[in-house]
Amino acid sequence: EVQLVESGGGLVQPGGSLRLSCAASGFTFSSYEMNWVRQAPGKGLEWVSYISGSGGTISYADSVKGRFSISRDNAKNSVFLQMNSLRVEDTAVYYCARLNNYFDCWGQGTLVTVSS
Amino acid sequence: QSALTQPRSVSGSPGQSVTISCTGTSSDVGGYNLVSWYQQHPGKAPKLMIYDVTKRPSGVPDRFSGSKSGNTASLTISGLQAEDESDYYCCSYAGSYTMIFGGGTKLTVL
Repeated sequence: EVQLVESGGGLVQPGGSLRLSCAASGFTFSSYEMNWVRQAPGKGLEWVSYISGSGGTISYADSVKGRFSISRDNAKNSVFLQMNSLRVEDTAVYYCARLNNYFDCWGQGTLVTVSS
Repeated sequence: QSALTQPRSVSGSPGQSVTISCTGTSSDVGGYNLVSWYQQHPGKAPKLMIYDVTKRPSGVPDRFSGSKSGNTASLTISGLQAEDESDYYCCSYAGSYTMIFGGGTKLTVL
C-alpha cells in the first residue's frame, strides 16, 4: 500500500525554525517527484515546494523562497522541509504529496502553528 | 503566483448536474494539459478526482468528468449525490517545476 506519513509539526514562535519529515512506503521512492502542499486554517490549498526524484531539481513558491528548504534521502525513503524565519502566516497543515504530473498520493498532514 | 479562480460555492439538488470552473492564464491552465481536480472533506487529505484534464483514476465514479477550453478548466459532476458535498480544488502545472491551486469551491447538495 502506498503511504506517506508526515511528522515534525508543532508550535513555534515567529522567527523560529521547524523541520518536517515525510516517510514514504509502498513504492519506489526515488522514482517519484515529491512536494509539500499546505493549507492554512479555513483556507485553500497552497503548493509550497517541489523536489525531483534525484533531488537535483528543486523549486519553491514565492511565499517561502529563501526561508524554506526541501531535501530528500532516497536511502531512507524520506523527504524533508526545513522551515526557517517562520511567520504567523505560515500556520497551516502541511501535506507531503507524491507528484505524477498530478498529486496522486497524500499524507495525513502535520499541523504547524506559528504564534507567540 | 496568484491562485487559479474558482467560484466560492456552487449547489445542486440530488440527481442534478453541477459544473465548477477554474480559470487561469496561458502560463498555467491554458499552457499545459496538466489540470487536476481534488475533493476534500473537512479534516481530511485531498483526494484526486480528475487528472490530465479529463482522466479519472480508478475508483472515481464516471459521474465526475473534466474538460478544458482555453485558459478555463471545468469539473462536471452529474447525478449529484449527498456524498459529493465537499470542497473541490483545481490544480495546474505552471512551468518551471511549479504548481498552482485554485481557491477552492464548496459544493452543497441541497
